[in-house]
Amino acid sequence: DTGVSQNPRHKITKRGQNVTFRCDPISEHNRLYWYRQTLGQGPEFLTYFQNEAQLEKSRLLSDRFSAERPKGSFSTLEIQRTEQGDSAMYLCASSRRTGGYEQFFGPGTRLTVL
Amino acid sequence: GENVEQHPSTLSVQEGDSAVIKCTYSDSASNYFPWYKQELGKGPQLIIDIRSNVGEKKDQRIAVTLNKTAKHFSLHITETQPEDSAVYFCAALSNYGGSQGNLIFGKGTKLSVKP
Repeated sequence: DTGVSQNPRHKITKRGQNVTFRCDPISEHNRLYWYRQTLGQGPEFLTYFQNEAQLEKSRLLSDRFSAERPKGSFSTLEIQRTEQGDSAMYLCASSRRTGGYEQFFGPGTRLTVL
Repeated sequence: GENVEQHPSTLSVQEGDSAVIKCTYSDSASNYFPWYKQELGKGPQLIIDIRSNVGEKKDQRIAVTLNKTAKHFSLHITETQPEDSAVYFCAALSNYGGSQGNLIFGKGTKLSVKP
């Protein structure tokens, strides 16, 4: 399978704990995006990487959130001191750089904060 | 910034009928408009897209039309089948404030195709 993969698929945590999610993009894609989707809503943009450089961050990305993409391959999204409002589906997408408008999404990580 | 409105929020059709979902956008600089299908528990799947230099694009039973002047675009599904049942999202590529290309999504349309 050469699509975008995300791990874990589900994460249940207690309020105040830290969690980390991983995204592996399609191998030839050098752009990687993180989105958050709550129930009944469309995905909302969080942040974007081109290779290892984080080029854009949404105001939704509070200081409790941090994302990295070492070596321009996989990416991690960490949430520190989780709150119940962080419960959502976290989606990763990737695209090519040249004319790469098309964004292909992974299956997502469902986070539940108790 | 960019804002995308999508209608209707729910749509129920009989198998074999056509379904139309409409979206409007606010930023005239937006130049790329994809449509995604999302099934329960899965990530969004790109089904068709259109760029601003094209008025219409078709792929088998699915077509998308774009009216740049009115800033709206539509998804048309013909000969609907039960497996078309899902939530459909429209999106626009944001160029606001020097954005490098994050997508702004509508709120989705839940399509139900009754056999």
